[in-house]
Amino acid sequence: NAGVMQNPRHLVRRRGQEARLRCSPVKGHSHVYWYRQLPEEGLKFMVYLQKENIIDESGMPKERFSAEFPKEGPSILRIQQVVRGDSAAYFCASSQSAGGTDTQYFGPGTRLTVL
Amino acid sequence: SQQGEEDPQALSIQEGENATMNCSYKTSINNLQWYRQNSGRGLVHLILIRSNEREKHSGRLRVTLDTSKKSSSLLITASRAADTASYFCALFSFQKLVFGTGTRLLVSP
Repeated sequence: NAGVMQNPRHLVRRRGQEARLRCSPVKGHSHVYWYRQLPEEGLKFMVYLQKENIIDESGMPKERFSAEFPKEGPSILRIQQVVRGDSAAYFCASSQSAGGTDTQYFGPGTRLTVL
Repeated sequence: SQQGEEDPQALSIQEGENATMNCSYKTSINNLQWYRQNSGRGLVHLILIRSNEREKHSGRLRVTLDTSKKSSSLLITASRAADTASYFCALFSFQKLVFGTGTRLLVSP
């Protein structure tokens, strides 16, 4: 009974490179959420996706960031041309439905370091 | 801002004592959830309380919700050193979780 899987757990990139973060939700969950956590801060919502659809991307920076959740395979958060300020922990969560009574289950996170 | 504000920011107690953390918010919510995060790790869901509930228990945890005051509290009874972590309240509103700034709890043996 696997929970939310994220990989890689740690990612180091140089400025200007691309970062790809993967998230496999709990089996049977079709709702995925991405959050970012800066050091010593709480998590900030980035984007909410269902299979093949972006439902809410109000927390995503307008440039360089994109997310997808294809019909098959994991959800991907892509950051192009990374800058030092992108260094953070990125968490993915999944839920079975979008209803307010449903718990979101979190993955272990990917810690991105931009040199 | 939708964000929950947590109080205190940091709390240091001895094993066996109770720990109380508070969360205040400004918007309407579907539910409010509490999470724990150990240093450098992912989040662990602790408890969810719906907007029509006033109190909920889970083991040594007790959560209250006062929607008229827009506040919630998390009580950990008989704390243990293993409870040392950051605790976050999260508001479920408009299909997403909005996290508070967290309370850092240190339980000394």
